[in-house]
Amino acid sequence: GAGVSQSPSNKVTEKGKDVELRCDPISGHTALYWYRQSLGQGLEFLIYFQGNSAPDKSGLPSDRFSAERTGGSVSTLTIQRTQQEDSAVYLCASSLGRMGPGMNTEAFFGQGTRLTVV
Amino acid sequence: AQSVTQLDSQVPVFEEAPVELRCNYSSSVSVYLFWYVQYPNQGLQLLLKYLSGSTLVKGINGFEAEFNKSQTSFHLRKPSVHISDTAEYFCAVSPFNTDKLIFGTGTRLQVFP
Repeated sequence: GAGVSQSPSNKVTEKGKDVELRCDPISGHTALYWYRQSLGQGLEFLIYFQGNSAPDKSGLPSDRFSAERTGGSVSTLTIQRTQQEDSAVYLCASSLGRMGPGMNTEAFFGQGTRLTVV
Repeated sequence: AQSVTQLDSQVPVFEEAPVELRCNYSSSVSVYLFWYVQYPNQGLQLLLKYLSGSTLVKGINGFEAEFNKSQTSFHLRKPSVHISDTAEYFCAVSPFNTDKLIFGTGTRLQVFP
């Protein structure tokens, strides 16, 4: 596709339910990032995938959060037993490759999924 | 570990005035530096980046930023702002030998006529 696509754009769920958020990165991008954007909190890093390497999960806030990336393309972020504090905009980004001089370092962001836990 | 501090959560300014959005970082290793912008109801997009070379980098829409290693800063500047510059601006770092992007909390620039 032309850009990073995220679905759904909005999700309202009841406390305690599980949710799945989907990210379709730009074709050919090997790096994929998930961030959480809360009011006044900026962009909180959640998880990062790079090619076939083990993902960097250091930003996941609890074991209720998990993510996978199938076939090096589509990624799904799963939140189990949602809590009200999980309400936020979840952003996905992808980039062509490694950071550094001479490399394509721009991360392209999707429009995000606004999650509301009631 | 790395962290990015954007001390100003909001910066109000009149049209055609100059503006500086501050960014300081903390890192035990060298980093690459970025500014991203998020216009209302839009996704984030890259404004400019510092990877190597000249410490003064120019980006889109007339913005520029200067990397100051001794002060661990990467402040964003524009000599004359427009109404259309109203947006949220995020500073980010990426440590050498990783591809992780770590963002600050953002600065909301509000330009008034």
